[in-house]
Order: sequence, then structure tokens, then C-alpha cells
Amino acid sequence: ETGVTQSPTHLIKTRGQQVTLRCSSQSGHNTVSWYQQALGQGPQFIFQYYREEENGRGNFPPRFSGLQFPNYSSELNVNALELDDSALYLCASSLGQGSDTQYFGPGTRLTVL
Amino acid sequence: ILNVEQSPQSLHVQEGDSTNFTCSFPSSNFYALHWYRWETAKSPEALFVMTLNGDEKKKGRISATLNTKEGYSYLYIKGSQPEDSATYLCAFKTGANNLFFGTGTRLTVIP
Repeated sequence: ETGVTQSPTHLIKTRGQQVTLRCSSQSGHNTVSWYQQALGQGPQFIFQYYREEENGRGNFPPRFSGLQFPNYSSELNVNALELDDSALYLCASSLGQGSDTQYFGPGTRLTVL
Repeated sequence: ILNVEQSPQSLHVQEGDSTNFTCSFPSSNFYALHWYRWETAKSPEALFVMTLNGDEKKKGRISATLNTKEGYSYLYIKGSQPEDSATYLCAFKTGANNLFFGTGTRLTVIP
């Protein structure tokens, strides 16, 4: 059974640029959630995808967008990067939307200069 | 944004000591409470998902209790070992699909 993987591991961008982060779900999982963890804080929910549809969104602006593909892998896209977007981005997959355990990837560290 | 608080923020214990931490969350709209262990440079690892008031769960030397009426959960580690050193996160889930995380308790076990 393959765990959740994320790419790239680290990324440096400049303010105003766009970035795409990728996540491969654990085998058989149809739900992916994305989180942002800024320094000194707990992870904050960005959004969730269930069977290729957005299924809940946290308090993030529209320049944070996502996709889920038929194989349940997922992308997080951030446009017009700001310095405050510097953070660790985590994705987590689960078998369903309810109280199921979420399995996390190791994260992508994004630095915006 | 829902407020989930964890205490203490960090602690150091000697190998063999038992310890516990607290997670406080809103007592309304409760759906589930998750605990995760997060070792440095690794992925957060799920420990428990708790849904019922009075729930007690155990995994080896680690156990957790849940009180949904007063809005708290305790995580206990019996006989701490150096490999228990990690950040322990709790996350509160309402009926919606998002998890609200605390900032974690960073545990260091000194050999």
C-alpha cells in the first residue's frame, strides 16, 4: 500500500508568481484535503475534494484553487503569491468525508520572497 | 474559525515518566476529535479518531479520553521513551468536512 506523497519537497517563488503543488493519495482513497501550516500555528484547512468536486472550503481567498483527478491525485494552485503564503502545505487523503482518519503526506515547504 | 487549544505548548520529561496533555475545543457542533503524532521531517501520523462522549482509546502506551460535554480530550503516554518525542496535534471536526487543528504540544523525552 503506497502512502500519501507530495511534490515538490521545497519550493522558492517570488511575490506575484503562481505555484502548483501536487499530491498523490493513498491507494483507494477518494477524498483529499489540503492544509496550510504557517510558522508557529497548527495546520489550517484550505479545501477538500471528494470524487473530483470541491467539498468544503476554509477561510482562504479564491486565488487558492484546486483540482482532483480521476485517479484521485490532486493539485493545489496558488496565484499572485504573497509573502504570507510562505508555509508548509500538507495534503491528506481519506476513504470518505466523515470522521474517517486522514492520512497525511510529508508536505511541501513553500517560501515566497 | 473555531478555537482549539492545546496545553502545554511544550514539555520535557525523563525517559520512563508518564505524561499527559490537554486539548480543549468547542462543546457545540461536535462531530469527531482526532489526535496525531508528528515527528520532525515526517508526515503527521494518525493516533485516534474519537466520536463518542466518554470514549477511551488505547494504542500501546498511548491512550486518550474524550469529554464532549465540557469540550476536552486528554492524551496520556505511559512510560515515555525517546521515540515518543514528537509534536502531538489534536483536531476538532464539526459536521462540515474541515478539521480545526490546535497548535500542538511538543514533547521531548530525555534519555
